[in-house]
Amino acid sequence: AQSVTQLDSQVPVFEEAPVELRCNYSSSVSVYLFWYVQYPNQGLQLLLKYLSGSTLVESINGFEAEFNKSQTSFHLRKPSVHISDTAEYFCAVQGTFGNEKLTFGTGTRLTIIP
Amino acid sequence: DTGVSQDPRHKITKRGQNVTFRCDPISEHNRLYWYRQTLGQGPEFLTYFQNEAQLEKSRLLSDRFSAERPKGSFSTLEIQRTEQGDSAMYLCASSSKGAAGRSYNEQFFGPGTRLTVL
Repeated sequence: AQSVTQLDSQVPVFEEAPVELRCNYSSSVSVYLFWYVQYPNQGLQLLLKYLSGSTLVESINGFEAEFNKSQTSFHLRKPSVHISDTAEYFCAVQGTFGNEKLTFGTGTRLTIIP
Repeated sequence: DTGVSQDPRHKITKRGQNVTFRCDPISEHNRLYWYRQTLGQGPEFLTYFQNEAQLEKSRLLSDRFSAERPKGSFSTLEIQRTEQGDSAMYLCASSSKGAAGRSYNEQFFGPGTRLTVL
């Protein structure tokens, strides 16, 4: 079984400031790791994923996340946020074999302060 | 094809009534998933289909819940004798079969059906 912990339910950040959204996971098997974003009144969208290889993965809109196996973490970072980044962010895991379902954290609501 | 669609987007019902939701996946996606998201929580897995076969069901899926995917295309989720605790956003996602030897497949989510049970 897998579990995901997102300790910060809400994170307010000033525009153009950096941000880190924390994610820790627990699993007895190897996993794939994901960050999903949910903009107001929209569905979940995949932001970035870690499958294998380089532990640092990037999205097209400036977010990055680093897989740390020893810390069982997959924190999401952005060096300079914009108003348009206001959304709810969900960390998720999926077992690498024979386990189709995604297990999500409780989400972090990112609010950008102008 | 613009993505996964779900109908209705909102449903308000009285306790004890039956409700049915529909999900249309992305064309040719053979895998379809249902999740439930309650306020302040992340989505929780309910069930998934590969083609028309229901391959896994969560313990969250009580006897009052039934899901079908009769022709391997769209899917329906029915809740019988609704309870106030069933109030939630019901999300559908679809994906294609991953490469041989790997289970990774990107799941594309629909906009969800928000159910309110009065």
